[in-house]
Amino acid sequence: KAGVTQTPRYLIKTRGQQVTLSCSPISGHRSVSWYQQTPGQGLQFLFEYLSETQRNKGNFPGRFSGRQFSNSRSEMNVSTLELGDSALYLCASSQEPTAGYTFGSGTRLTVV
Amino acid sequence: GESVGLHLPTLSVQEGDNSIINCAYSNSASDYFIWYKQESGKGPQFIIDIRSNMDKRQGQRVTVLLNKTVKHLSLQIAATQPGDSAVYFCAERGGGKLIFGQGTELSVKP
Repeated sequence: KAGVTQTPRYLIKTRGQQVTLSCSPISGHRSVSWYQQTPGQGLQFLFEYLSETQRNKGNFPGRFSGRQFSNSRSEMNVSTLELGDSALYLCASSQEPTAGYTFGSGTRLTVV
Repeated sequence: GESVGLHLPTLSVQEGDNSIINCAYSNSASDYFIWYKQESGKGPQFIIDIRSNMDKRQGQRVTVLLNKTVKHLSLQIAATQPGDSAVYFCAERGGGKLIFGQGTELSVKP
């Protein structure tokens, strides 16, 4: 059974650009959540999607957005990148929001 | 605000010893707790979970204890091995999201 797949693994972008990250959940998992991990702030919740609907959103500016498709795959977008957006972005999926979460390996975003 | 914190940022143990990693949480309404292990360059890996209606759960070489009275969670690793070296995070589910602690780095000396 394939795990959570995140693409790309590494990304370098320039300030002011935008970026789109992709997440394919485990087959059969309907819930997808996104987290940002930095050395200073640790793991912070970005948003959660279930059946193409955003259920919860963390305390991030509107530059951070996401969506989920009918096949449960999810994307997150960050516009007008800032240096502080450099982080490991992690996606987690679960069968239901009340079940356990499995994480992908993440996308390492570097903003220069 | 809500937070989950770890008492010890680093823990060094001898191979073969037992390890105990502690965690405090602040939201008494949290109903589900998870321990994750994260190795360098990888995403968090699920170790064990426990629901709030339990106080102990055992897995393979790992045990999680939940003390709701003092809002404390611990992870016990038996016969710690070099492969257990990693950062360990506790997380509580509250408000439809996971709230993570800062993490404890476990170092196993051969």
